[in-house]
Amino acid sequence: QSVLTQPASVSGSLGQSITVSCTGTSSDVGAYNSVSWYQQHSGKAPRLIIYDVSNRPSGVPYRFSGSKSGNTASLTIAGLQTDDEADYYCGSYGSGSTYVFGSGTKVTVL
Amino acid sequence: EVRLVESGGGLVQPGESLRLSCAASGFSFGSYGMTWVRQAPGKGLEWVAFTSGSGGAKFYADSVRGRFTVSRDNAKNTLYVQMSSLTVEDTAVYYCAKLPREYQLRGWFDPWGQGTLVIVSS
Repeated sequence: QSVLTQPASVSGSLGQSITVSCTGTSSDVGAYNSVSWYQQHSGKAPRLIIYDVSNRPSGVPYRFSGSKSGNTASLTIAGLQTDDEADYYCGSYGSGSTYVFGSGTKVTVL
Repeated sequence: EVRLVESGGGLVQPGESLRLSCAASGFSFGSYGMTWVRQAPGKGLEWVAFTSGSGGAKFYADSVRGRFTVSRDNAKNTLYVQMSSLTVEDTAVYYCAKLPREYQLRGWFDPWGQGTLVIVSS
């Protein structure tokens, strides 16, 4: 059960847009439209922000969006705000009834 | 409001056992799959185990298979994980989370509990 590959860090200025990538394989990200994204502020539990590639749960701002192409999923945060500074993890269902998370990306707001 | 509260964490020695609990409220517990996820200090998230709503289907990460056992008591709205032969590599915050469907791990984790810390050290 390998970890999905994410950039260790991404930064952007207040109001800017950033994109976080999540690369898996044809056995997980590429095989299922079951990619989720989780936001984790320091010392807090993770919070779901995107499910099934591009769906936003109730209460999550429209600034957060998701997409997928082949074995790579992406999270875009538009109009960066200071509260967006956090760790972000992708997650995907994988063949063989497993679940795999990404390595995590630290988003910094400059 | 859906709420998950973990408990049972603590300091144990290598080779010992520990049972964690996750008390659920605000939803029909037995109708949803549940999962455990852990996070070692300063590290990323690692999926640990899943159980279906009835408890009939259980899946485990390779790193814990054979040592951890997930279970649930639907009458008490509580999820458990029994951890045995613990090693220092099992040191982590353990979270429970709810899935959107009864039978499938294929889904998303929402919400999460606040986590309980397990430290394995001599």
